[in-house]
Amino acid sequence: AQRVTQPEKLLSVFKGAPVELKCNYSYSGSPELFWYVQYSRQRLQLLLRHISRESIKGFTADLNKGETSFHLKKPFAQEEDSAMYYCALSIYTDKLIFGTGTRLQVFP
Amino acid sequence: DVKVTQSSRYLVKRTGEKVFLECVQDMDHENMFWYRQDPGLGLRLIYFSYDVKMKEKGDIPEGYSVSREKKERFSLILESASTNQTSMYLCASSSRNRPTNEKLFFGSGTQLSVL
Repeated sequence: AQRVTQPEKLLSVFKGAPVELKCNYSYSGSPELFWYVQYSRQRLQLLLRHISRESIKGFTADLNKGETSFHLKKPFAQEEDSAMYYCALSIYTDKLIFGTGTRLQVFP
Repeated sequence: DVKVTQSSRYLVKRTGEKVFLECVQDMDHENMFWYRQDPGLGLRLIYFSYDVKMKEKGDIPEGYSVSREKKERFSLILESASTNQTSMYLCASSSRNRPTNEKLFFGSGTQLSVL
């Protein structure tokens, strides 16, 4: 069955520290993967997608098919990065399966 | 900018009541979705719709139904609310011309409490 696993419920770091939010998926087909973010009192929004190979707000994520992972990384965390992060897998063009989410806390 | 509007931010209902959650989008999107968001469980898909009058079950449709009479509006119905349906409900939409795997637009959510 298709599944997205985010093993950490909470990740706490200090400002300026590197951040890695882990995401693993299970899917036998060709995956399309995304990271969504929800800042406090804001709606859920797309952060980045693997197909674009882009860097948004300093975050990057590389799809590793061998390890079936799509970890989100940032070299130097900022306080404004504190939010809830969801990894998501597209199995058909019209549906997304989300992970359980990781709350990132960045302390000053 | 795309607007997905959910009619209520907070809703308190009693067990057994029939509950309607409304969602309206203003960008002529074909696809609309209802998720529930629970701590530790993430977002789980309840129902979705590709077009007017069409609906598909998601991963957790039990206890819910939906209605899509107009393209811009997608309603989630709890026929007889139960306490385990207390949750944050998120509506989302996307364009068929810009598939979901590119961008899903979310509403602000409705926090439903069933007492």
